[in-house]
Amino acid sequence: GIQVEQSPPDLILQEGANSTLRCNFSDSVNNLQWFHQNPWGQLINLFYIPSGTKQNGRLSATTVATERYSLLYISSSQTTDSGVYFCAVERDSNYQLIWGAGTKLIIKP
Amino acid sequence: DGGITQSPKYLFRKEGQNVTLSCEQNLNHDAMYWYRQDPGQGLRLIYYSQIVNDFQKGDIAEGYSVSREKKESFPLTVTSAQKNPTAFYLCASSTDRGHTDTQYFGPGTRLTVL
Repeated sequence: GIQVEQSPPDLILQEGANSTLRCNFSDSVNNLQWFHQNPWGQLINLFYIPSGTKQNGRLSATTVATERYSLLYISSSQTTDSGVYFCAVERDSNYQLIWGAGTKLIIKP
Repeated sequence: DGGITQSPKYLFRKEGQNVTLSCEQNLNHDAMYWYRQDPGQGLRLIYYSQIVNDFQKGDIAEGYSVSREKKESFPLTVTSAQKNPTAFYLCASSTDRGHTDTQYFGPGTRLTVL
């Protein structure tokens, strides 16, 4: 089956820093989503981005489908950005998202 | 406010007991999903439903059962056949566009087997 790899697994930054999170996938996909899970477990959808670039405030995401990767950019990090960032892909329009293991981000004040 | 609610937030079960986790949504979404999350890992799909009275197994359906009698509700039963049920369970919903659309999640239920 399709493999989803996220890097780095852990990232510790000072408040105000910028960061780039990467998601590689092993086969073509028709759907890619980025999520943020806060320390209490709540998951929030950040982007639905099977291809191209999207921006939402300090966050932006780019998916290069032909090269099988997606990047999530976080600028001017705040402590509330802490948590785990997941990417998830769907290959065959079968309603099954395959999830990466996540990048754990800690923003220090 | 539209959203997804899950109850209870914490659940303790003795070995050999069945327990049912509640998931309700008022987003008018057709598709609903149940995921399991173990510590330090991503989510794994247990069951999903695209329409009332129909549901499909995900990757780890063994030991679980679901029903979808109403559009708003998608309860998950963890049966005694599930050998290692201690985990964080998340319910999600989305519109149905013939594939997975943007998913919205409930706050989760933490199940512990004593």
